[in-house]
Amino acid sequence: DAKTTQPTSMDCAEGRAANLPCNHSTISGNEYVYWYRQIHSQGPQYIIHGLKNNETNEMASLIITEDRKSSTLILPHATLRDTAVYYCIVRTNSGYSTLTFGKGTMLLVSP
Amino acid sequence: NAGVTQTPKFQVLKTGQSMTLQCAQDMNHEYMSWYRQDPGMGLRLIHYSVGAGITDQGEVPNGYNVSRSTTEDFPLRLLSAAPSQTSVYFCASSKGGQGVDGYTFGSGTRLTVV
Repeated sequence: DAKTTQPTSMDCAEGRAANLPCNHSTISGNEYVYWYRQIHSQGPQYIIHGLKNNETNEMASLIITEDRKSSTLILPHATLRDTAVYYCIVRTNSGYSTLTFGKGTMLLVSP
Repeated sequence: NAGVTQTPKFQVLKTGQSMTLQCAQDMNHEYMSWYRQDPGMGLRLIHYSVGAGITDQGEVPNGYNVSRSTTEDFPLRLLSAAPSQTSVYFCASSKGGQGVDGYTFGSGTRLTVV
């Protein structure tokens, strides 16, 4: 699975959009971009994933660049409950590949 | 809708003791796995199972055993606990091994070995 690079931490004001970047310059054509988050003392939570096209669900939007070398997770209206560590993961969806978590980005949403 | 249930939530063991961390899911997921999380190291895969009767090793399997006799349950056994196994343990499941629609994680077991 391709390696990802994320900032260690980010701040966001409550009610504003949080834009979390992820670099995955060595991504292969059959690898997906996944985002998970982990709120303090809880288990990780799946957020969204995509291959080429931008994706949106009830939690967030995922913007993938045309060359697929980077992506951005967007939380449109961040709340205090969105304070968490966000993990960007790149992996294939064939076979039984594992899910490798790096160190992620600590997002702090402030009032 | 329980999802993935882990028990116990907290446990303190003495070095050399054995115990089993329980994991159960009620979503009929084929794939189940165990991770450990240590400060500053993200999550590391211990063991995983792609279906009842089938298990395989992950990144850090030493000191742990697993079995999968039913689709619902995937217990993790520590045969002789060591202080290096102090960690937070998460169980996860997905409909298929690919985890196409994401993995569902339990709330974790916080284990301290003294």
